[in-house]
Amino acid sequence: EVQLVESGGGLVQPGGSLRLSCAASGFTFSGYWMTWVRQAPGKGLEWVANIKQDESENFYVDSVKGRFTFSRDNAKKSLYLQMDSLRAEDTAVYYCARTANTAIDYWGQGTLVTVSS
Amino acid sequence: QSVLTQPPSESAAPGQKVTISCSGGSSNIGNSYVSWYQQLPGTAPKLLIYENNKRPSGIPDRFSGSKSGTSATLGITGLQTGDEADYYCGTWDTSLSVWLFGGGTKLTVL
Repeated sequence: EVQLVESGGGLVQPGGSLRLSCAASGFTFSGYWMTWVRQAPGKGLEWVANIKQDESENFYVDSVKGRFTFSRDNAKKSLYLQMDSLRAEDTAVYYCARTANTAIDYWGQGTLVTVSS
Repeated sequence: QSVLTQPPSESAAPGQKVTISCSGGSSNIGNSYVSWYQQLPGTAPKLLIYENNKRPSGIPDRFSGSKSGTSATLGITGLQTGDEADYYCGTWDTSLSVWLFGGGTKLTVL
């Protein structure tokens, strides 16, 4: 069974940093692109970033470029989202998800990030 | 304002059929596969349809998808109260190199 478990969310002040983690199990982790998607309270889904199997390619939504860094450790079957210079508009539930070529096919339960003073 | 346009809401009675549209452009829907996601209240999204019209294992055939040009459609027949959820279309934009989601459609089963 595919499982994705996020951790690391919490309350952080504007301008601060937070590192999210995602532990994967139940599939060949190194064989898939992986993705972060976020959802602000009461809003729709927003794709944040994805990463290729070997980390050779990363893509980010414009609003987080230069502030967020997406990395992975295939040996540990883990993903990391380093979020710096956080803003109030980054407040959201962050989901890690598996990408199977043409669709995002499995999602974690999400971790809440709140940016507020 | 999403690049992929969905109606904010749709409604229909139990047992009836509903369709949800998703309109995009030549660099996204027109050039990539479309997928659809269901998000029940308080839960994570779930994949309903991939590659325009394919259903993952476990998704009932009441759910269907289609694509024509730069638009896609999700169909749900035999509506049940348990289908009340937010539905999102998604696709890759080959010009922007970003994944796009529609703004979401809230389905109410009256």
